[in-house]
Amino acid sequence: GENVEQHPSTLSVQEGDSAVIKCTYSDSASNYFPWYKQELGKGPQLIIDIRSNVGEKKDQRIAVTLNKTAKHFSLHITETQPEDSAVYFCAASKGGSYIPTFGRGTSLIVHP
Amino acid sequence: DVKVTQSSRYLVKRTGEKVFLECVQDMDHENMFWYRQDPGLGLRLIYFSYDVKMKEKGDIPEGYSVSREKKERFSLILESASTNQTSMYLCASSSPAGVPSYEQYFGPGTRLTVT
Repeated sequence: GENVEQHPSTLSVQEGDSAVIKCTYSDSASNYFPWYKQELGKGPQLIIDIRSNVGEKKDQRIAVTLNKTAKHFSLHITETQPEDSAVYFCAASKGGSYIPTFGRGTSLIVHP
Repeated sequence: DVKVTQSSRYLVKRTGEKVFLECVQDMDHENMFWYRQDPGLGLRLIYFSYDVKMKEKGDIPEGYSVSREKKERFSLILESASTNQTSMYLCASSSPAGVPSYEQYFGPGTRLTVT
């Protein structure tokens, strides 16, 4: 089955810095890659996703890049703010499957 | 807005008790899921359901069962709770009827402690 590795497990940055979280996946048939943000006391919420026919996608301060050859995708957050502090999960799933495989999560801490 | 609600935010049960965790979604989603979340282990799928009365095992189904009698409700059952089932339990749903969608909508979670 699919295996998703996520790094780092913890990331501490100063407000205004950029943050990058990286994930690798094992199944070349995976073609949908969502990122979820989990704030304290809440369930995860989708913040951005990318499909395998796209190399990069941006939404304001967040962007996701995908390298299908290397089976690698990353989340980039620019100009970080304290409200970006949360746990972020990457995931991968195959076409036709509604079951994503999640990474283990990254705890992002943005210091004011 | 899609809303997924879970019956309890915090629950304390004793070893050997039968425990019911309930989840309700209000957007006519076809798919529903139960995950457990443990530090350093991420989200692990326990069971999922594609339709009423239909269920499939996920990655860690041992010690759990599920019930989906109505489309909007998905229950997780711990037949005989054990201390290693102390965890955060998250319910999720996806895919409105007739509209295939991969985005999962999560409830706020139930933190279960088994003593």
